Amino acid sequence: GNSVTQMEGPVTLSEEAFLTINCTYTATGYPSLFWYVQYPGEGLQLLLKATKADDKGSNKGFEATYRKETTSFHLEKGSVQVSDSAVYFCAPRGGATNKLIFGTGTLLAVQP
Amino acid sequence: DAGITQSPRHKVTETGTPVTLRCHQTENHRYMYWYRQDPGHGLRLIHYSYGVKDTDKGEVSDGYSVSRSKTEDFLLTLESATSSQTSVYFCAISGEGMNTEAFFGQGTRLTVV
Repeated sequence: GNSVTQMEGPVTLSEEAFLTINCTYTATGYPSLFWYVQYPGEGLQLLLKATKADDKGSNKGFEATYRKETTSFHLEKGSVQVSDSAVYFCAPRGGATNKLIFGTGTLLAVQP
Repeated sequence: DAGITQSPRHKVTETGTPVTLRCHQTENHRYMYWYRQDPGHGLRLIHYSYGVKDTDKGEVSDGYSVSRSKTEDFLLTLESATSSQTSVYFCAISGEGMNTEAFFGQGTRLTVV
């Protein structure tokens, strides 16, 4: 089945700093890749996605590129804001299973 | 916003009692999922459904059962609640195809005392 490994948190940054959250996955076949974000007290919501190799997903200043050769989908943002403080989850979907599996999530705390 | 509702939103129950959580959708999506979220463990899949009466186990299914008798409802039952099942439970729905995103409910905070 699919599995995903995310970098351990918490990640603490100052406002306007550069963000990288690493994500690597294992999957049979060619999954689609997703990043979800969870703000305090809420359910997860889609941040961005990429559906094939070398695709770049982007939204709200966040970007991630589907790297098939390294099975990675790292999340980046050039300048974080306090409002980006949340938990971020990487999730592959597809391949040989319809299960939707998430990583442990990475807590991002941005300080003013 | 996707039409997905969890009930109840909060519940406190005693050890050994049965508990049922309900997930209701108005999107007619095929797939429905139940997760639990605990500090240090992220989001773990309990059970999921790929159609009416079609369900399968996830990573942490022991002590839980599910039922889906109609497209819009997916029930999660704790047959005999234990303190280790104290958690926040999330339901998610998604359509066909691996390119489609999942939509999440607001969560149910369950405390077993």
